[in-house]
Amino acid sequence: DAGVTQSPTHLIKTRGQQVTLRCSPKSGHDTVSWYQQALGQGPQFIFQYYEEEERQRGNFPDRFSGHQFPNYSSELNVNALLLGDSALYLCASSGQVSTEAFFGQGTRLTVV
Amino acid sequence: RKEVEQDPGPFNVPEGATVAFNCTYSNSASQSFFWYRQDCRKEPKLLMSVYSSGNEDGRFTAQLNRASQYISLLIRDSKLSDSATYLCVVSQYGNKLVFGAGTILRVKS
Repeated sequence: DAGVTQSPTHLIKTRGQQVTLRCSPKSGHDTVSWYQQALGQGPQFIFQYYEEEERQRGNFPDRFSGHQFPNYSSELNVNALLLGDSALYLCASSGQVSTEAFFGQGTRLTVV
Repeated sequence: RKEVEQDPGPFNVPEGATVAFNCTYSNSASQSFFWYRQDCRKEPKLLMSVYSSGNEDGRFTAQLNRASQYISLLIRDSKLSDSATYLCVVSQYGNKLVFGAGTILRVKS
């Protein structure tokens, strides 16, 4: 049983560019949440998708957007990248039966 | 004020020691409580859920005091492999997780 998978694992982008990160949830999970973890900090909630809709959103600007597909996989898009967007981006999936969240290994984004 | 506050440490302890971590949270609507463990440059993994009655899993004991909005984690007989960052986490509606900044534990031989 594959767990949560994220791609790519590492990424380097230039300021002003746009990036798309991808996540496939654990089998049987229908809810996907995205988190940003800056160095030395805990993960910060960006948003959550359920039934292809954004269900909750954290305190992140509109440059951060997402999407969930019918197969429950999800994308995180960040436009107009800033140096401060450099972080580990984590995807977590959960289901309706068990609410435990399982995390992917993350995508490490570096903006230069 | 951060929603979940933890002592960042680091806690440097010898093998076999007992170490305790504390955490406070500010949102009284928080419904679920957890400790996650994160190894360097890896994803967080659930260590244990925390219940009002207190709960134990082997060498790990977690306590929750809802009145004081306080969560604790006790690790007995520390092992080298316990070295990691321990994240205090609370959850409100809909599985949104709110993380503390983490407490670094270093167990030395």
